[in-house]
Amino acid sequence: AQSVTQPDIHITVSEGASLELRCNYSYGATPYLFWYVQSPGQGLQLLLKYFSGDTLVQGIKGFEAEFKRSQSSFNLRKPSVHWSDAAEYFCAVGESGGSNYKLTFGKGTLLTVNP
Amino acid sequence: SQTIHQWPATLVQPVGSPLSLECTVEGTSNPNLYWYRQAAGRGLQLLFYSVGIGQISSEVPQNLSASRPQDRQFILSSKKLLLSDSGFYLCACNWCGGSDETQYFGPGTRLLVL
Repeated sequence: AQSVTQPDIHITVSEGASLELRCNYSYGATPYLFWYVQSPGQGLQLLLKYFSGDTLVQGIKGFEAEFKRSQSSFNLRKPSVHWSDAAEYFCAVGESGGSNYKLTFGKGTLLTVNP
Repeated sequence: SQTIHQWPATLVQPVGSPLSLECTVEGTSNPNLYWYRQAAGRGLQLLFYSVGIGQISSEVPQNLSASRPQDRQFILSSKKLLLSDSGFYLCACNWCGGSDETQYFGPGTRLLVL
């Protein structure tokens, strides 16, 4: 069965600093990979996704992520964090193919941004 | 583009009362639909998913049930709420706004059982 690990429950960075959120997955085939962001009391918003091709994917709000098959990782990065980036971030992996398609989510990383 | 509506936004219910949460989706026909729950400080737990009208798959045994009476309508129900049913309920869909495996989420319903 597929699984997703986000090792960092809570990360605090200063505004303007760089950010990297870690995500490791376990899946036998080539996965579909996603990063979502959730502000308090809101639904999840898609930041970016990887299906195939270029392993460095660009998303919204200046975020990017790199798929590294050898490390089973899909880490999220941003060169300069803004206070509005404070939120919870979820990594997810999807099992390819079939109508019974489901995502497996990590437990999330809460990002705090200090002024 | 995909639009997912959830109703109500917030709900406070006494223990033992019934529950009905509604999710409706705009966009293409025959989407996959999903119900998730987020308990305070925890991740997302998949409760139910549906690949078509009347087709419901349950992921975890619990006090809740789901139904899909129409193609773009997904309902989460309970006959008698428990305190442990409190949480944030999210509806999601696949193949509702495009042709790939991206899952889109609604705004959620906050449920507090007292």
